[in-house]
Amino acid sequence: DTEVTQTPKHLVMGMTNKKSLKCEQHMGHRAMYWYKQKAKKPPELMFVYSYEKLSINESVPSRFSPECPNSSLLNLHLHALQPEDSALYLCASSQGGGSGNTIYFGEGSWLTVV
Amino acid sequence: GEDVEQSLFLSVREGDSSVINCTYTDSSSTYLYWYKQEPGAGLQLLTYIFSNMDMKQDQRLTVLLNKKDKHLSLRIADTQTGDSAIYFCAESMRGYGGSQGNLIFGKGTKLSVKP
Repeated sequence: DTEVTQTPKHLVMGMTNKKSLKCEQHMGHRAMYWYKQKAKKPPELMFVYSYEKLSINESVPSRFSPECPNSSLLNLHLHALQPEDSALYLCASSQGGGSGNTIYFGEGSWLTVV
Repeated sequence: GEDVEQSLFLSVREGDSSVINCTYTDSSSTYLYWYKQEPGAGLQLLTYIFSNMDMKQDQRLTVLLNKKDKHLSLRIADTQTGDSAIYFCAESMRGYGGSQGNLIFGKGTKLSVKP
């Protein structure tokens, strides 16, 4: 099983809403990631969790708040987003810990902020 | 700084070989990847190559790495219409805590396969 599962697949939210994106993997990977992909652009790294600790935050605005409840789950909490935050949000995982070289992505969550 | 360059478009006929090229800048990258993205979908890992290898073959896919020139290529043999997609080249940067998932992507090459 090389699957990273993301929910929801599509989300429309208002600028005052609070919502969450969820990601799950059961490959025993210890590193998990959030990437953001705008239309016709490559993905860009947002956050990295390594062994359930936040290890990289690529200067992401605080209206995006990641959470890693356990080694299989990764959430992205969204609050007071702007229309320009509309994008495809991709979760990924890898073995982490300096070993493992296969990085698997989920199908993504399409977010529209209105 | 890190930069990954790819040509934006490639058009081939069904049954021909496709070659997608990529150049990268960071010589310390340990792994280089090829991902496929179909419209409306996430990223599918196609293959990867470790930086001490020159070539890797996996069924219809052949990856060539020229470390001296920092050039990576993906060859798809017997290209099919189902191969039409955007192909991203990516290099990994070692992140804090040793994670390898800090990927720098090229802009993607849109492969169109004509019947």
